[in-house]
Amino acid sequence: DGGITQSPKYLFRKEGQNVTLSCEQNLNHDAMYWYRQDPGQGLRLIYYSQIVNDFQKGDIAEGYSVSREKKESFPLTVTSAQKNPTAFYLCASSPTGPGVGYNEQFFGPGTRLTVL
Amino acid sequence: SQQGEEDPQALSIQEGENATMNCSYKTSINNLQWYRQNSGRGLVHLILIRSNEREKHSGRLRVTLDTSKKSSSLLITASRAADTASYFCATDAWTQGGSEKLVFGKGTKLTVNP
Repeated sequence: DGGITQSPKYLFRKEGQNVTLSCEQNLNHDAMYWYRQDPGQGLRLIYYSQIVNDFQKGDIAEGYSVSREKKESFPLTVTSAQKNPTAFYLCASSPTGPGVGYNEQFFGPGTRLTVL
Repeated sequence: SQQGEEDPQALSIQEGENATMNCSYKTSINNLQWYRQNSGRGLVHLILIRSNEREKHSGRLRVTLDTSKKSSSLLITASRAADTASYFCATDAWTQGGSEKLVFGKGTKLTVNP
């Protein structure tokens, strides 16, 4: 899991509530990413950030929001607008952002979100 | 959208045997990566192979890339029970905003029986 931490490991949410998932890295990486994984599926990109104070929508950004106020932190908020939020959420970072010479990504241990 | 597709979806072998997983993709790439995921955990990067490379080794792992067939294979030799995990290939692609991203396949679930 490298130098990336995610908290909490398990999260339960009632319908209609917003919840925020934490992601912190001490690898001094510029780029950070949020993915969603559903059972038996691959990863789908929610949001990514190449530098502080900048972030871009991925393939499934609707119902999610992010911020990147610090290089080390990239929290994800799952809003009540996300209709099917129950999933496994993975945060990742890489030394540089997308572009030529794309690098490997380092993943956190994940947060399993369940909507009750 | 471009996506790596792994084959087979599931593979069960005995300890000591070799395991081969394949990945096919649709459009040209700059590089292809393989990752491992233990159940309920994050992904761990295994190996990256660039489009101008044909083969790469790392310990018991051997990755090949055939850009003419748009396919890659991951070979794990002398498998161990600890190799039990899901294995994903990831290829570079482009977001709607024009930035590069990684696209992951659905994975091959490997079970190595003691």
